[in-house]
Amino acid sequence: QKEVEQNSGPLSVPEGAIASLNCTYSDRGSQSFFWYRQYSGKSPELIMSIYSNGDKEDGRFTAQLNKASQYVSLLIRDSQPSDSATYLCAVTDGGNNRKLIWGLGTSLAVNP
Amino acid sequence: EPEVTQTPSHQVTQMGQEVILRCVPISNHLYFYWYRQILGQKVEFLVSFYNNEISEKSEIFDDQFSVERPDGSNFTLKIRSTKLEDSAMYFCASYPQGASTDTQYFGPGTRLTVL
Repeated sequence: QKEVEQNSGPLSVPEGAIASLNCTYSDRGSQSFFWYRQYSGKSPELIMSIYSNGDKEDGRFTAQLNKASQYVSLLIRDSQPSDSATYLCAVTDGGNNRKLIWGLGTSLAVNP
Repeated sequence: EPEVTQTPSHQVTQMGQEVILRCVPISNHLYFYWYRQILGQKVEFLVSFYNNEISEKSEIFDDQFSVERPDGSNFTLKIRSTKLEDSAMYFCASYPQGASTDTQYFGPGTRLTVL
């Protein structure tokens, strides 16, 4: 069974701080890795995608990938109250189908 | 910017009834997916569809489920005889052929409530 694991939280950080979210995955064949943000009752919204080892930065967000450790992380700098949401880690199945395997999500609360 | 749309946004039905959830993928996309998310649980893959046929389905996607692309734009998920445990958010996603990334584009979801 292919799994994606995340700490469910809640993770609570003060406004302006760095939030660090982590994810591990079991399928060594996974090639693509995504972070989605989900507000309650809404569909997942893509925040970041990463495909190769190392860091990828986009504005206040940095995704980090380590395929050897099967580990993906997301850093949110200068956290804002509007960043409060559940962050879902998703990875592609190692087969050819590109279906996504999802973590349960980490709930982030940014306190003013 | 093109987007995936889904209708209805909320569907309430009685157990045992048939429901059809509708999706309009982005027009030049050729891979289509249905996922569901039961409240408080992980998003789960249901089925993928390419070239007018199912390319993969999960264990959840039993004989009660079917998918169709009845015309060039709509992509539907039918549940023949709904059960209480089918209550969930259902998300449609699509993906273009030949894209350099694996990014799937998600619709806003349909909340299905089975009473």
